[in-house]
Amino acid sequence: AQKVTQAQTEISVVEKEDVTLDCVYETRDTTYYLFWYKQPPSGELVFLIRRNSFDEQNEISGRYSWNFQKSTSSFNFTITASQVVDSAVYFCALISGGATNKLIFGTGTLLAVQP
Amino acid sequence: DGGITQSPKYLFRKEGQNVTLSCEQNLNHDAMYWYRQDPGQGLRLIYYSQIVNDFQKGDIAEGYSVSREKKESFPLTVTSAQKNPTAFYLCASKTGRHNEQFFGPGTRLTVL
Repeated sequence: AQKVTQAQTEISVVEKEDVTLDCVYETRDTTYYLFWYKQPPSGELVFLIRRNSFDEQNEISGRYSWNFQKSTSSFNFTITASQVVDSAVYFCALISGGATNKLIFGTGTLLAVQP
Repeated sequence: DGGITQSPKYLFRKEGQNVTLSCEQNLNHDAMYWYRQDPGQGLRLIYYSQIVNDFQKGDIAEGYSVSREKKESFPLTVTSAQKNPTAFYLCASKTGRHNEQFFGPGTRLTVL
């Protein structure tokens, strides 16, 4: 069975703090894809990153960085020097096997960045 | 501008009524998806379509119906058989080349 777990329901930080959002996934497939999406208060999901199972290289994009570790089945997301505009719900998701490209979502982490 | 549009943004329905949510994309994407989001939960797949005139049930299809007569359009009908339809509905699409799905702004449906 495929599953995505985001154990942190809510995180509150003060602006300029670094914050890491955890994501643990489960799958028996050897080929799979991991994603992070941001959902601001407006509701629309914004795509942030895609990672395939064969590429464990970490990625940095500005203040965002992602740490993919197959050994621990984790795909964590770090925001450096957080800003108020980072306040949102963040979802980790998995596509695993099959031809449906069905996204399996975690329950999301609500990040509140206080000024 | 290329993108996905959903209308209306807010929708109110009386119990026992069917209602149709619109989803249109001009990204030339082949596949389209409907998800439902409830408070404190992730998104759950209702229906998806990988090509025109073809669609499959997702995890929570009961009480919903769809059609895919045009590549650009994938409307979702919430029928009176759906026991708890109040939720936020998101439409998404993707190309055949990459796996990431792109989402519309959503429709918030409330049953009165």
